[in-house]
Amino acid sequence: EAQVTQNPRYLITVTGKKLTVTCSQNMNHEYMSWYRQDPGLGLRQIYYSMNVEVTDKGDVPEGYKVSRKEKRNFPLILESPSPNQTSLYFCASSPPGFEQFFGPGTRLTVL
Amino acid sequence: ILNVEQSPQSLHVQEGDSTNFTCSFPSSNFYALHWYRWETAKSPEALFVMTLNGDEKKKGRISATLNTKEGYSYLYIKGSQPEDSATYLCAAARGTYKYIFGTGTRLKVLA
Repeated sequence: EAQVTQNPRYLITVTGKKLTVTCSQNMNHEYMSWYRQDPGLGLRQIYYSMNVEVTDKGDVPEGYKVSRKEKRNFPLILESPSPNQTSLYFCASSPPGFEQFFGPGTRLTVL
Repeated sequence: ILNVEQSPQSLHVQEGDSTNFTCSFPSSNFYALHWYRWETAKSPEALFVMTLNGDEKKKGRISATLNTKEGYSYLYIKGSQPEDSATYLCAAARGTYKYIFGTGTRLKVLA
C-alpha cells in the first residue's frame, strides 16, 4: 500500500529534550515536506527536500532541523524543543509539482 | 509571504444543497493551486492540482475552477452529502517546492 508513515503519532516531552519525528514514504517520491498545523492558522511549511541531500527552509524553520540521507526518509529534529513548538505535525511527499500525500500526523506537546 | 485566504470559514448546508467556496491568492508569481479535503482525525487528501488559467477540474460531484489573472479558485460541490463534511484546504505553490496553505473552509452537511 502506498503510504507516508510518521512516528511517533503522539509525544509528550519536556523543554530542552531533543527529539526526532520520523517520516518515511514508499512511493519513490523525490519531494518531501514538513508542516505544522496550529489552531486558526493554515498548514505552515517548516522544511522541504527536493531530493536526497537537498533541503531548504519553508516559512517557519526556526528551532527545527531536517536531513535527507535516503530518498524514502525525511526526519524532523527538534534539538531543544520549547512550548511554542507544541503542534500537530504532518509530513508529505509527492513527485515535484504534483499532489502531496500526507502522513497521519504527529501530535507533539512540549511542557 | 504569499497570502492565501479562504471563504467562508465555515458553512452548514442541508443534504442535497449545492455549495461553493473561494480561495484567493496573489496572482503574481503563480505556479499552481492545490485543493485538499481534510476529514477530522485524518490527513489531508488531494482533490485537484490546477496550473492553467481557466482550468476546470472535476471529480464526481466536486469541481473546481481557476482564474490566475485575478487570483482566485472556486470549489463547487453539487448535491452535498453528509460524507462531504470536512475541511477543504487550498494551497498556492510558489514554484515547485514551496506551498502556502489557506486556513480552510469547514463544511458541515446536515442530513
